[in-house]
Amino acid sequence: SAVISQKPSRDICQRGTSLTIQCQVDSQVTMMFWYRQQPGQSLTLIATANQGSEATYESGFVIDKFPISRPNLTFSTLTVSNMSPEDSSIYLCSGREAGIYNEQFFGPGTRLTVL
Amino acid sequence: AQTVTQSQPEMSVQEAETVTLSCTYDTSESDYYLFWYKQPPSRQMILVIRQEAYKQQNATENRFSVNFQKAAKSFSLKISDSQLGDAAMYFCAYRANFGNEKLTFGTGTRLTIIP
Repeated sequence: SAVISQKPSRDICQRGTSLTIQCQVDSQVTMMFWYRQQPGQSLTLIATANQGSEATYESGFVIDKFPISRPNLTFSTLTVSNMSPEDSSIYLCSGREAGIYNEQFFGPGTRLTVL
Repeated sequence: AQTVTQSQPEMSVQEAETVTLSCTYDTSESDYYLFWYKQPPSRQMILVIRQEAYKQQNATENRFSVNFQKAAKSFSLKISDSQLGDAAMYFCAYRANFGNEKLTFGTGTRLTIIP
């Protein structure tokens, strides 16, 4: 299966600032996703990152707050904008080849703390 | 909308014993996939086992097996001969076999292995 790396692995940020998280896959994947996992909680899908077009956001998440880029089939970024303490979470990148039999795999996550 | 429910926030089992984690889901679809993912303290999400809804036979992967009851919309995970390395959060997940095919996760069960 493919390997996903994320940068940074963790960060502590000040309220009102922005952080960009990078996601790199070691092979081309059709689909990439960004999830948020709040402390002690399950994973919630933020958006599907589409190559060459705007991301598809889930209910409750907006582009102004979580802009996403996906310039090619192996790389994506998620920016958490104008952060508040409520944004403190683990952010996970995920990827999958199209096709019903293909496994969805995950990066190690970025632990974000907002003070 | 699809929902996935895990009613056991925490479970514990003696090493070498067997434990069963419960999961129920709600969907109007007939064609879908169900998954169990493991998340150890390292945060890395690991696919444990997958079940295709159209298959009547329960999936098995070494010490891990599922009890899939489609009519009851139940999908439990049985771990046999529990090992210390099995300690983790376990998430049940659902994916429809169409559309953007996103994963919907349950709330998770924290499994503790008692030496």
